[in-house]
Amino acid sequence: DTAVSQTPKYLVTQMGNDKSIKCEQNLGHDTMYWYKQDSKKFLKIMFSYNNKELIINETVPNRFSPKSPDKAHLNLHINSLELGDSAVYFCASSFDRGGNTGELFFGEGSRLTVL
Amino acid sequence: ELKVEQNPLFLSMQEGKNYTIYCNYSTTSDRLYWYRQDPGKSLESLFVLLSNGAVKQEGRLMASLDTKARLSTLHITAAVHDLSATYFCAVDPGTASKLTFGTGTRLQVTL
Repeated sequence: DTAVSQTPKYLVTQMGNDKSIKCEQNLGHDTMYWYKQDSKKFLKIMFSYNNKELIINETVPNRFSPKSPDKAHLNLHINSLELGDSAVYFCASSFDRGGNTGELFFGEGSRLTVL
Repeated sequence: ELKVEQNPLFLSMQEGKNYTIYCNYSTTSDRLYWYRQDPGKSLESLFVLLSNGAVKQEGRLMASLDTKARLSTLHITAAVHDLSATYFCAVDPGTASKLTFGTGTRLQVTL
């Protein structure tokens, strides 16, 4: 039973297209995240949602729009794709920091290639 | 802005040798995490360090945290090929659970 699952795993598309990546977690976590990993393996947070509410929105182009229909799902929609958007996008989830460890659990990643 | 630096960035070591990876961070934090990533795979949690002086060990890996020095170490004892991967530290500055990851250390263990 996969804890954090993302679809699709691979995405190849042309510049200018719009695409979405979906993420679901079955761990009962309160917080979900999108991270971007570039070609040098550097990981950077993009967005974070807590119980469907946006709490972190890093300096990301507004072509990227996250949506959380419920606390178990966090989707990422990207408009007008550019070459520089090529990366691996990781979804992650955790319990609230509160009395918990705050440990993140990651999905398998979605490798986006923009041609 | 929180900065997290790891060194070395790349480490090639022989099986059976010991080595240490260092993680330095720029702001106060009492929570630090270590993750492992195999090529083309997800990130797997290795250690959660939640206080100054915390030490955790699993197999050939041992992690420690010194919050006063803003330093964590990941020590590898008698390396084996299966440990080849990229290792990341990540620091929680206590603000909205915003983990900041280090640059990663790519470890290659050779026979």
